[in-house]
Amino acid sequence: QLQLQESGPGLVKPSETLSLTCTVSGGSISSSSYYWGWIRQPPGKGLEWIGSIYYSGSTYYNPSLKSRVTISVDTSKNQFSLKLSSVTAADTAVYYCARRGGYCSSTSCYFWYFDLWGRGTLVTVSS
Amino acid sequence: QPVLTQSSSASASLGSSVKLTCTLSSGHSSYIIAWHQQQPGKAPRYLMKLEGSGSYNKGSGVPDRFSGSSSGADRYLTISNLQSEDEADYYCETWDSNTSVFGGGTKLTVL
Repeated sequence: QLQLQESGPGLVKPSETLSLTCTVSGGSISSSSYYWGWIRQPPGKGLEWIGSIYYSGSTYYNPSLKSRVTISVDTSKNQFSLKLSSVTAADTAVYYCARRGGYCSSTSCYFWYFDLWGRGTLVTVSS
Repeated sequence: QPVLTQSSSASASLGSSVKLTCTLSSGHSSYIIAWHQQQPGKAPRYLMKLEGSGSYNKGSGVPDRFSGSSSGADRYLTISNLQSEDEADYYCETWDSNTSVFGGGTKLTVL
């Protein structure tokens, strides 16, 4: 059964870069049927999509975060990663990695809903 | 870009039924959505995909008590025979060619 597990520092200083990794187990991140994504949830608030990546490296980002976000994939380690730069207290949240259906043809890429979530990891931005 | 609107809260009695609503913004009434459940202190869990026709496909292990339906721009999640474990936040999600959106969530209280 495929599982996702987030890892990374739980505390990041303001203005620094938040870095998280999601390890996929029980299946291959190189499947042609899925995209992989990051979603966050500030304490007591709702869900916010950050971005998604295909095993080939195709990426889509939330326009409101795009200037600060980089998502990458390492198929050899079955992992994908999130980097969020210049963080402030507003970036304090539980960060989830998740799987969503999708595929890329020779000309276009498509994705749809998230169907499997990791447990999440709390990242606090504070000095 | 589509926008999803949900009521902030709902409540219903143990053993009864409740219908939660997710409304798509103008121009996006045909969009497919997904429903997710988030129990207190836990990660979200995918419940179902729901089309504008009302056709839905549930995730693995989702009880029969959960069903979906649609009317125009509204997408519904109905929970029958409410159990205590159904007390949770419920989020709808949709997407277009290059972005994803979540609704603000509905907090369901089981009385």
